[in-house]
Amino acid sequence: KAGVTQTPRYLIKTRGQQVTLSCSPISGHRSVSWYQQTPGQGLQFLFEYFSETQRNKGNFPGRFSGRQFSNSRSEMNVSTLELGDSALYLCASSLEVTSTGELFFGEGSRLTVL
Amino acid sequence: GESVGLHLPTLSVQEGDNSIINCAYSNSASDYFIWYKQESGKGPQFIIDIRSNMDKRQGQRVTVLLNKTVKHLSLQIAATQPGDSAVYFCAENMMGDMRFGAGTRLTVKP
Repeated sequence: KAGVTQTPRYLIKTRGQQVTLSCSPISGHRSVSWYQQTPGQGLQFLFEYFSETQRNKGNFPGRFSGRQFSNSRSEMNVSTLELGDSALYLCASSLEVTSTGELFFGEGSRLTVL
Repeated sequence: GESVGLHLPTLSVQEGDNSIINCAYSNSASDYFIWYKQESGKGPQFIIDIRSNMDKRQGQRVTVLLNKTVKHLSLQIAATQPGDSAVYFCAENMMGDMRFGAGTRLTVKP
């Protein structure tokens, strides 16, 4: 069974641009959650999607948004990029909502904002 | 101002010894706790979980202990191996709000 796949793995953007990251969950998993990992703040929860609906949202500005498609694939978007958005963005999938079971993480998309 | 990175606690153990990694969580209402292992360049990997109605759970070579009175979680790794070298995170989950600890870097000396 294929694991969680995130694309792109690495990307470089400049301030003010926007970026879209993609996540394909494990087949059969309906929940996808996104996290930001930085040396300064550690791992922080961004949002969780289940059956195309956002279930939970972390404490991030509205520049960070996401969506989930009917095949459970998810995308997150960051608009008007700032230097501080440089981070590893991790996606995780689970069979049901995150409060009920194991999360399977992808290897992340490393974003550098110049 | 200059940003300061998280100071990761570190634990260095000899191969074959037991390791104990500790974590303090913040929300007394959290009902689900998980330990993750993250190797360099990879995403976190699930190790073991425990629900708040339990105080101990054992897996293969790993044991998680939960002390709700002092909001403390620990991960015990038996017979630590070089492949166990990684950063270990605890996470607490309350109604889908997942919060991670800063992590502990475990180094296993051969």
